[in-house]
Amino acid sequence: QSVLTQPPSVSGAPGQRVTISCTGSSSNIGAGYDVHWYQQLPGTAPKLLIYGNSNRPSGVPVRFSGSRSGTSASLAITGLLAEDEADYYCQSYDSSLSGSLFGGGTKLTVL
Amino acid sequence: QVQLVESGGGVVQPGRSLRLSCAASGFAFSTYTMHWVRQAPGKGLEWVTVISHDGSNKYYADSVKGRFTISRDNSKNTLYLQMNSLRAEDTAVYYCARDVTEQWLPHLGYFDYWGQGTLVTVSS
Repeated sequence: QSVLTQPPSVSGAPGQRVTISCTGSSSNIGAGYDVHWYQQLPGTAPKLLIYGNSNRPSGVPVRFSGSRSGTSASLAITGLLAEDEADYYCQSYDSSLSGSLFGGGTKLTVL
Repeated sequence: QVQLVESGGGVVQPGRSLRLSCAASGFAFSTYTMHWVRQAPGKGLEWVTVISHDGSNKYYADSVKGRFTISRDNSKNTLYLQMNSLRAEDTAVYYCARDVTEQWLPHLGYFDYWGQGTLVTVSS
């Protein structure tokens, strides 16, 4: 089944570390396709946060990091700031769809 | 700087058609793969369709296949989405997004620039 599964929500206090998982299958992440992450602040367009599993575009703080293993990927955010409160999406390619696939999104709340 | 500006959204009755446009500037539009991505109110992102730099390759999500058509006019630096037989479930903000790849490599693609989106509401 062509689905990327993310937890609907995560939360953490300022300064803490949180992780967001993205679980796929053999037709997407498990097939070796890269995972990319996007941050969407309220009322704005998504912004590229991590590309190629673990690479940060210029301007993205080092607090954000990504990894991929097997059929899953993770986004880690350390030293949480109030401004990190947003929705986060993973994205990969799916060979059975012949197209891109997004995870359902995770809402991060900074307590 | 790279800019993507969508237009053409609005309220349309079920079964009717609408065409969205995305005006690109600040980069060599004709060399990039481009996508449409949508987001229903309060929901997550859904990839809709992709077109290669020269328009020769196109893929669609199953949810819009046979109803939506992506196209581009490289002479006008503009991407289009023709939406026919619209349904209530097509109600969403539609974003155009630039693929980072300039060659047709859909399995490597991701989105480095996004427009601000245009809202399409399908309602009677």
